[in-house]
Amino acid sequence: DVKVTQSSRYLVKRTGEKVFLECVQDMDHENMFWYRQDPGLGLRLIYFSYDVKMKEKGDIPEGYSVSREKKERFSLILESASTNQTSMYLCASSPGLGVYNEQFFGPGTRLTVL
Amino acid sequence: QKEVEQDPGPLSVPEGAIVSLNCTYSNSAFQYFMWYRQYSRKGPELLMYTYSSGNKEDGRFTAQVDKSSKYISLFIRDSQPSDSATYLCAIPSFGSNYKLTFGKGTLLTVNP
Repeated sequence: DVKVTQSSRYLVKRTGEKVFLECVQDMDHENMFWYRQDPGLGLRLIYFSYDVKMKEKGDIPEGYSVSREKKERFSLILESASTNQTSMYLCASSPGLGVYNEQFFGPGTRLTVL
Repeated sequence: QKEVEQDPGPLSVPEGAIVSLNCTYSNSAFQYFMWYRQYSRKGPELLMYTYSSGNKEDGRFTAQVDKSSKYISLFIRDSQPSDSATYLCAIPSFGSNYKLTFGKGTLLTVNP
């Protein structure tokens, strides 16, 4: 079974802190994604990566950066956390050029910024 | 116009009811359509996918695509409390080989 793990289930940080969210997948998938999920707004893509060291902005990249130094690991970085970044963060991975692009999700990290 | 729009719900039904969940999409070129299920405090997981038009059945679940009206549906027969979850439709993003566009999700509660 594909397994996507995220480093923390719950995280509380203060405004201005630098925050790292880690994601690891164990199925040798090419693509990895970071989403945030908010009530009424659904899943919104922040960044994705289609190969090691390769990344592309999603729909809401402002205030975030990412790092993919190894194929299995994709990190989301909040350079200076703000209260409007309080959200559920979901990591996902998918194989290479799939026919229907199924994505496999981690359990999520609920981040609260005070 | 957004690529995919989903009835927001929430939806509350008694156990045993037939449930209908719906999405519309904008681009007639889309071929694959997916439904994800997300239990509370979990990540979404793929429930079903369909290709092109028609129906696909898996146990109590039926996914239906009407390409003429650009409408996709998920039906749940004999709904159970364990079906209580958020259901999200998803389509491959236009012009992308790996991105998905998700509907906002419909929260379903099946009451015993």
